[in-house]
Amino acid sequence: QKEVEQNSGPLSVPEGAIASLNCTYSDRGSQSFFWYRQYSGKSPELIMSIYSNGDKEDGRFTAQLNKASQYVSLLIRDSQPSDSATYLCAVKRTGNQFYFGTGTSLTVIP
Amino acid sequence: DADVTQTPRNRITKTGKRIMLECSQTKGHDRMYWYRQDPGLGLQLIYYSFDVKDINKGEISDGYSVSRQAQAKFSLSLESAIPNQTALYFCATSDGPSDTDTQYFGPGTRLTVL
Repeated sequence: QKEVEQNSGPLSVPEGAIASLNCTYSDRGSQSFFWYRQYSGKSPELIMSIYSNGDKEDGRFTAQLNKASQYVSLLIRDSQPSDSATYLCAVKRTGNQFYFGTGTSLTVIP
Repeated sequence: DADVTQTPRNRITKTGKRIMLECSQTKGHDRMYWYRQDPGLGLQLIYYSFDVKDINKGEISDGYSVSRQAQAKFSLSLESAIPNQTALYFCATSDGPSDTDTQYFGPGTRLTVL
């Protein structure tokens, strides 16, 4: 079983819609959760971090964490063509290294 | 100036050559990492270092070696490059063992081994 699993997509949404990206993780001891955005050929860029159950909002982005279900999601409201990228979910256990999912490709259609 | 820099940004080499990729950071972070990324496989950890005297193998260390010359510098070497080491390589840093520890990535090096 992989440490972090994501649906590879591609996920397509029309401009202005809500994009929903999902991630599950295997280790219940995981403490920290991250979403990165990666444009083709570029490096991952941190969008959100979340550490406790519930929702965390930052502009058009909302991260949701449910530790009981070992599930973390990212919602992008009012999606824009510039949001088209691959989104990487990452998980960190206490004191240890990070684990990345393989990413979900998002396309926002104008 | 970028907080995490990588040199070179692009490199084409031949099978059997020795290659060194360099990473420098001005974030003052103790922890540094090397990843490779292949299409569809996500980020794979090659080596990581939690301080200058602490270096650890990641999941795909075979064929690679590293050197942590200083807190700010972490180099990755391919002693004898082979074509399946063609990939995008990223250096990353993070600031410590707390739960808020976050990784920040350099711009990447695209390596092609012919």
